[in-house]
Amino acid sequence: GQNIDQPTEMTATEGAIVQINCTYQTSGFNGLFWYQQHAGEAPTFLSYNVLDGLEEKGRFSSFLSRSKGYSYLLLKELQMKDSASYLCAVRDSDYKLSFGAGTTVTVRA
Amino acid sequence: IAGITQAPTSQILAAGRRMTLRCTQDMRHNAMYWYRQDLGLGLRLIHYSNTAGTTGKGEVPDGYSVSRANTDDFPLTLASAVPSQTSVYFCASSPYVGTGSSEQYFGPGTRLTVT
Repeated sequence: GQNIDQPTEMTATEGAIVQINCTYQTSGFNGLFWYQQHAGEAPTFLSYNVLDGLEEKGRFSSFLSRSKGYSYLLLKELQMKDSASYLCAVRDSDYKLSFGAGTTVTVRA
Repeated sequence: IAGITQAPTSQILAAGRRMTLRCTQDMRHNAMYWYRQDLGLGLRLIHYSNTAGTTGKGEVPDGYSVSRANTDDFPLTLASAVPSQTSVYFCASSPYVGTGSSEQYFGPGTRLTVT
């Protein structure tokens, strides 16, 4: 099984940078995903990492270290619309996803 | 293109009743999934189907059943609902099962309350 940990809540100011950490313990690893979920809505895909290193996609970047069981999602130039929950998910050797409980990010003006 | 649709949007159900949550996708995705989302616990996999005609158990399958008669539909049935099944249920699909960034696409969810 998987054990996935991420902070419960984070608060940041509009225009700032926030880093959401995710640590995992896995019986099999086949990639790590980040999803965004606005309140009352469905999760939507943000990023995917399977090799060590940084993947950049506009204002969002995701980093993976497989040896440390660690990933982070970096949100730059925060906007009010970035207020949401961010879900870290690990895909196992059977290609099923296990999700962390999510990190609620609040962006303040 | 609708993507993934779920019905109903919300439902209040008496304990002991049978209920089927519907999920339909029009993306011709091979794999489909059912999750429940509870506060503080995140998304947990109930059942999945890697391709039409096959199903498998996820992390929390007890009390639920699924079928996958065709590519598009993946209904979830609660045979006899209990209050602990009060949750938000999300259906998801992905193009294929395997390596690569085959991300999952989620439906809008069904909010179920069992009284």
